Amino acid sequence: EIVMTQSPAILSVSPGERATLSCRASSSVGSYVAWYQQKPGQAPRLLIYAASARATGIPARFSGSGSGTEFTLTISSLQSEDFAVYYCQQYNNWPPITFGPGTKVDIK
Amino acid sequence: EVQMVQSGAEVKTPGESLKISCKGSGYIFTNYWIGWVRQMPGRGLEWMGIIFPRDSDTRYSPSFQGHVTISADKSINTAYLQWSSLKASDTAMYYCARGPCGSTTCYFDYWGQGSLVTVSS
Repeated sequence: EIVMTQSPAILSVSPGERATLSCRASSSVGSYVAWYQQKPGQAPRLLIYAASARATGIPARFSGSGSGTEFTLTISSLQSEDFAVYYCQQYNNWPPITFGPGTKVDIK
Repeated sequence: EVQMVQSGAEVKTPGESLKISCKGSGYIFTNYWIGWVRQMPGRGLEWMGIIFPRDSDTRYSPSFQGHVTISADKSINTAYLQWSSLKASDTAMYYCARGPCGSTTCYFDYWGQGSLVTVSS
């Protein structure tokens, strides 16, 4: 089973600053990675699929990149509504499907 | 508008059985997979399994195989997650989500609101 790791566990960022979140796969997953945002008390929301494709309605400040084993989610200018937990997910040769442990983005 | 609507919160005692539901609307139910994801209190997301309602093709995570059963009734656009004998460790929020899955893709684009299951004696 492919294991996903995320770093850092907690990222403290000031509003308006850039946030860079990392996700690493234990073996190559091609471009088969998605990113989700989860706010307290809410269900996850799809942000990015296929490593870099933005989901419907997702603002352009969210971007994804990477392939193979290294992936990045970038939020170009953090807004107050972006403080949340972010999860990566791989789906290469599914099943199984695996999620990373998450990165919490909080206010600096 | 695509919606995934889940059944409400449940409080059960260990050993009891339970079946929770997820109703999809606003799209062709039989064209998409439905996945189930567990989130234990204060923890991350865990993929449990997935079903294709058109033919009930079902896949399970090795971690959940044999512990839960996933099913679907395409006549009423509803998927289910069930336990035959609950444990305290099953206490969690359970999410269903629509999956536009294919041979090389399987992410989740619309999520239910979650069903909180509490198992306590």
